[in-house]
Amino acid sequence: DGGITQSPKYLFRKEGQNVTLSCEQNLNHDAMYWYRQDPGQGLRLIYYSQIVNDFQKGDIAEGYSVSREKKESFPLTVTSAQKNPTAFYLCASTKDRSSYNEQFFGPGTRLTVL
Amino acid sequence: RKEVEQDPGPFNVPEGATVAFNCTYSNSASQSFFWYRQDCRKEPKLLMSVYSSGNEDGRFTAQLNRASQYISLLIRDSKLSDSATYLCVVTHNDYKLSFGAGTTVTVRA
Repeated sequence: DGGITQSPKYLFRKEGQNVTLSCEQNLNHDAMYWYRQDPGQGLRLIYYSQIVNDFQKGDIAEGYSVSREKKESFPLTVTSAQKNPTAFYLCASTKDRSSYNEQFFGPGTRLTVL
Repeated sequence: RKEVEQDPGPFNVPEGATVAFNCTYSNSASQSFFWYRQDCRKEPKLLMSVYSSGNEDGRFTAQLNRASQYISLLIRDSKLSDSATYLCVVTHNDYKLSFGAGTTVTVRA
């Protein structure tokens, strides 16, 4: 079945540690996105990539980094510079840039910083 | 002012009732509008697009009012399975989506 997978589902990290969240899709989609969701707030865009080997900062990129070395993979690293990393992280993809409005989401990763 | 604002609810309604709620957006240049549905602790999924002339999808009706800058969603004959958070989504010309914080609907038996 085609879809987006994110791992792990739950992640606990100590303050000061970097952590990488995985996002893989087998939909052959060109564009991929990372969001974070906090209680009482809408999804906020962290980074997005419209094509392999290219990505752009979203609205809240500080403290995060990404790579897009393969079409199917778009890992997100939460660095120790991110001041408040505890959140629900969602990865999404779209067929291409022009279909950005119909986003397919992965099941998400809940990150908790202890 | 937030770009997209929604009444968080919750809207508690009995099965079979009609429930409606709005979403306002601040950018008059917004181009496209959508409703996404998010179940508790799950990922959002596209529910429906919102067209200028209004549109229906089964028991769901979406309306757009560009003059007053709001969109609405109406659910008729509510089912228990309609219990979810409904996210209002607005797009501009920069290939990005702006999400509202969501309106929670709880349908009770």
